[in-house]
Amino acid sequence: DTGVSQDPRHKITKRGQNVTFRCDPISEHNRLYWYRQTLGQGPEFLTYFQNEAQLEKSRLLSDRFSAERPKGSFSTLEIQRTEQGDSAMYLCASNTAGELPDTQYFGPGTRLTVL
Amino acid sequence: GEDVEQSLFLSVREGDSSVINCTYTDSSSTYLYWYKQEPGAGLQLLTYIFSNMDMKQDQRLTVLLNKKDKHLSLRIADTQTGDSAIYFCAESLIENTDKLIFGTGTRLQVFP
Repeated sequence: DTGVSQDPRHKITKRGQNVTFRCDPISEHNRLYWYRQTLGQGPEFLTYFQNEAQLEKSRLLSDRFSAERPKGSFSTLEIQRTEQGDSAMYLCASNTAGELPDTQYFGPGTRLTVL
Repeated sequence: GEDVEQSLFLSVREGDSSVINCTYTDSSSTYLYWYKQEPGAGLQLLTYIFSNMDMKQDQRLTVLLNKKDKHLSLRIADTQTGDSAIYFCAESLIENTDKLIFGTGTRLQVFP
């Protein structure tokens, strides 16, 4: 399977703990995106990378959130001092810059529950 | 501003056609997408349409785009129980193709 993969699929944590999620994009894609989806809503953009450069961050991405893509391949999203409001599905997507259509291919998501 | 709206729920009988509607506010869309999400899963791309097209057909799926009214629809012919899921429309914008703007999703329930 050469699709986008995410790990873990589910994470339960206590408020105040730190969590880290990983995304492996489709191998030939140079862009990688993170979205957050809360219950009953559509996904909302958080941030994206082109290769290893983080090019845009949404205002949804508070100081407690940090994302990296150190070698331009996989990415990690860390949430520090988790709050109950962070409970959501975190989705990763990838595509190739400049290709049209600019279709983004999504992974299965990581569901975070903060108790 | 950017806003994409969908009706929340649609219920159809197996074998009938389903029509899922979407309206958007930004006229600078480049591509408009339909994604399907099954319970607990990620988003599966179903189809897309370029903003200068009016219609696109792909097997059981037909996408209609009315640019004047900023209205997009997805018709599923011969709806099956396996089509039960949440359907999201999404747009990418001319000035910012770096993110997708999603609607709130329409839950399609297919009953026998």
